[in-house]
Amino acid sequence: EVQLLESGGGLVQPGGSLRLSCAASGFTFSSYAMNWVRQAPGKGLEWVSAISGSDGITHYADSVKGRFTISRDNSKKTLYLEMNSLRAEDTAVYYCVKDRSAWYFEYYFESWGQGTLVTFSS
Amino acid sequence: DIQMTQSPSSLSASVGDRVTITCRASQDISNYLAWFQQKPGKAPKSLISAASSLQSGVPSKFSGSGSGTDFTLTISSLQPEDFATYYCQQYNVYPPTFGQGTKVEIK
Repeated sequence: EVQLLESGGGLVQPGGSLRLSCAASGFTFSSYAMNWVRQAPGKGLEWVSAISGSDGITHYADSVKGRFTISRDNSKKTLYLEMNSLRAEDTAVYYCVKDRSAWYFEYYFESWGQGTLVTFSS
Repeated sequence: DIQMTQSPSSLSASVGDRVTITCRASQDISNYLAWFQQKPGKAPKSLISAASSLQSGVPSKFSGSGSGTDFTLTISSLQPEDFATYYCQQYNVYPPTFGQGTKVEIK
């Protein structure tokens, strides 16, 4: 069974930084592209970033390009999202999401973690 | 980016009702359309891929159809556990994009 467990969310100030982690199990982690998808409170879903399984190719939404960095450690079966220069509009639940297809970006979001909340302090 | 527009944004229905949700893409996406169900406080759950292919374990009361720009999700007989928000998502053209969601509420 695929399991994805996010951590690292919390309270931040505008301009601050945070690193999210996602521990994966139940599948061959290095074979699959992984994604971050976020959801602002009471709002819809927004794809944020993706990383390929083993060759380090990354993609970003325009809204986070240059501020967020996605990475992975296949030996630890862990996905990361380094978030810098955070803005109030980055407030959201961030979901770690496994792509369905091995070896390429399909962007079909087959399996989701429970999410971790990033909020701003005033 | 491809815009995905769902209608209605919300609906009220009774247990046993047949419910249909529509999703329209701003350009042709072939059949690269997925549907997700999200209950309050929970992560989205994948229901359908390729416009009409049910994910393993999803009950057959859910069905999807369409291709090109117009798609539908139908719940044949609404049950209490089906009250949730439903999202469509295209994965034909980068970047992947979602509809705004349709909230299905109890009448």
